[in-house]
Amino acid sequence: KAGVTQTPRYLIKTRGQQVTLSCSPISGHRSVSWYQQTPGQGLQFLFEYFSETQRNKGNFPGRFSGRQFSNSRSEMNVSTLELGDSALYLCASSLSGGNNYGYTFGSGTRLTVV
Amino acid sequence: GNSVTQMEGPVTLSEEAFLTINCTYTATGYPSLFWYVQYPGEGLQLLLKATKADDKGSNKGFEATYRKETTSFHLEKGSVQVSDSAVYFCALQNTGNQFYFGTGTSLTVIP
Repeated sequence: KAGVTQTPRYLIKTRGQQVTLSCSPISGHRSVSWYQQTPGQGLQFLFEYFSETQRNKGNFPGRFSGRQFSNSRSEMNVSTLELGDSALYLCASSLSGGNNYGYTFGSGTRLTVV
Repeated sequence: GNSVTQMEGPVTLSEEAFLTINCTYTATGYPSLFWYVQYPGEGLQLLLKATKADDKGSNKGFEATYRKETTSFHLEKGSVQVSDSAVYFCALQNTGNQFYFGTGTSLTVIP
């Protein structure tokens, strides 16, 4: 059973550019969540998608957006990149979300903004 | 609100030593509690979880008990191995499905 796949694994972008990260959940999983991990702020929730709808959103500026496709694959986009956006971005998938369902995390995309 | 406080690291232990990593939480209602482990360059792996008070989660020799009276979920292992070296995150999940993570505790086990 394939795990959660995040692409690319590493990315270097310049300040002001935009970036798109991809997450392919485990087959059959319909919930995808995104987290940002930085040394200073730790792991912070970005948003969750379920059946192509954003179900929950964290406290990030509007430059951070996402979407989910009909096959449950999800993308997140960051526009007008800032140096502080350098982080490991993790996605997690689940059958339908909720406390009693397991979440599986991907290995992450390491974004460096220069 | 929801938050998790875990023991600051780094923690360095000799092989076969006893491990405790403290974790306390603040939450409304009845959250589920988790321990995740992160190896260098990797994402998070679920180590164990507990979904209600007094539940004990266990996996690979690690254990943690959901204590509602002390709002704690301390991670323990009786005899650590070099392969246990990693960063450990305590987390809670409440309504809304999002996880609230602690800051992580780095563990190094030396032979």
